[in-house]
Amino acid sequence: QVQLQESGPGLVKPSATLSLTCTVSGGSIGTFYWSWIRQSPGKGLEWVGYIYYTGITNYNPSLKSRVTISLDTPNNRFSLRLTSVTAADTATYYCARHLRGFDNWGQGIHVTVSS
Amino acid sequence: ENVLTQSPATLSLSPGERATLSCRASQTVTSYLAWYQQKPGQAPRLLIYDASKRATGIPARFSGSGSGTDFTLTISRLEPEDFAVYYCQQRSDGPPLTFGQGTRLEIK
Repeated sequence: QVQLQESGPGLVKPSATLSLTCTVSGGSIGTFYWSWIRQSPGKGLEWVGYIYYTGITNYNPSLKSRVTISLDTPNNRFSLRLTSVTAADTATYYCARHLRGFDNWGQGIHVTVSS
Repeated sequence: ENVLTQSPATLSLSPGERATLSCRASQTVTSYLAWYQQKPGQAPRLLIYDASKRATGIPARFSGSGSGTDFTLTISRLEPEDFAVYYCQQRSDGPPLTFGQGTRLEIK
């Protein structure tokens, strides 16, 4: 069974860069799409972007200018960078694997943007 | 952006009853629609993909139907563990992949 685990700081200052990593265990990072999805407190789900195992990326247009997702295949992990964060970026960030649906999720990491 | 609108926002039912949740897309998604269940403090769980295919390990009481712009998730006979928030999600027309705003299924 594939397992995903998010890691990174839980507190980021306004205007700084949010950096998170998702480590995949129990399976290879090949052959699937790997996404970041976030959920603001008490709100719904927002897809941030994905990276395909070949390295191809696609981002939510609403975040595209600030988002980078990268792959670290030898270490079976992928990462999210979100620049110039504001309080609106406070959320629980999930990493997830998908092909026809998001079928494997990490437990989520809560990130607060605050000085 | 393909906007997904779920209805109702809240559904109050009793265990043993049948639940019918709706998801309407602003543009066609053909059959590229999925449904998820989320419980408090947990990540969402994939229930249905490609509109009607049950994900691995999902009980048969969960079924999905629809195509184009109108989709339905049906839970044939509610179990106590089914009370949660349900989201639909489309992957049809490229980025962004979008989610509906959710339907809260609560115990009556």
